[in-house]
Amino acid sequence: EVQLVQSGAEVKKPGESLKISCKGSGYSFTSYWIGWVRQMPGKGLEWMGIIYPGDSDTRYSPSFQGQVTISADKSISTAYLQWSSLKASDTAMYYCARMSGLVMPIDYYYGMDVWGQGTTVTVSS
Amino acid sequence: EIVLTQSPGTLSLSPGERATLSCRASQSVSSSYLAWYQQKPGQAPRLLIYGASSRATGIPDRFSGSGSGTDFTLTISRLEPEDFAVYYCQQYGSSPGWTFGQGTKVEIK
Repeated sequence: EVQLVQSGAEVKKPGESLKISCKGSGYSFTSYWIGWVRQMPGKGLEWMGIIYPGDSDTRYSPSFQGQVTISADKSISTAYLQWSSLKASDTAMYYCARMSGLVMPIDYYYGMDVWGQGTTVTVSS
Repeated sequence: EIVLTQSPGTLSLSPGERATLSCRASQSVSSSYLAWYQQKPGQAPRLLIYGASSRATGIPDRFSGSGSGTDFTLTISRLEPEDFAVYYCQQYGSSPGWTFGQGTKVEIK
């Protein structure tokens, strides 16, 4: 079964650092881009960035560039999303998702076909 | 940056009725780059449609997508109880990458 399993819920204080994970299984992890999506409480979906675990090529949304770091360890089929200094406004659900069939340069988009279950991040003093 | 505007914000319908959801782009979008997702409360989104009109694996044929240019539509031909959810459109553009619409909630009337 193809799946992405994310790390558990986190409760942090402002200014703390955090790294959440997304582990893929059931497919060739290094052959598919992984995307990260934020969903703030009661709000819609926001694309944060993507990474290609095969060579760690990473692209960020301008809204999130410099605010988070996306990385991957292909040896353990895991992608990461990290913050160096959390803010209360980082409180949200974070999803990872597989970018189906994505090839650069992009001439077709097959969508985000496999999603992790989400990681809730709460930042509060 | 291309902005996707979905309408209506909320659609109140009964099971068995037809649902028509709109996604309008602020500038022309390639149909090859347009996807639709369904999200139920407490769940991750699920891919329904890609390439504006191609159903993802396992998606029932009551879901269909259409459109081109700046106007795209997701149609649910006959609503089943499990279809009441929030629906998002998404597009790819070279800058800033991917964007989502704000969502349409389909609720039981």
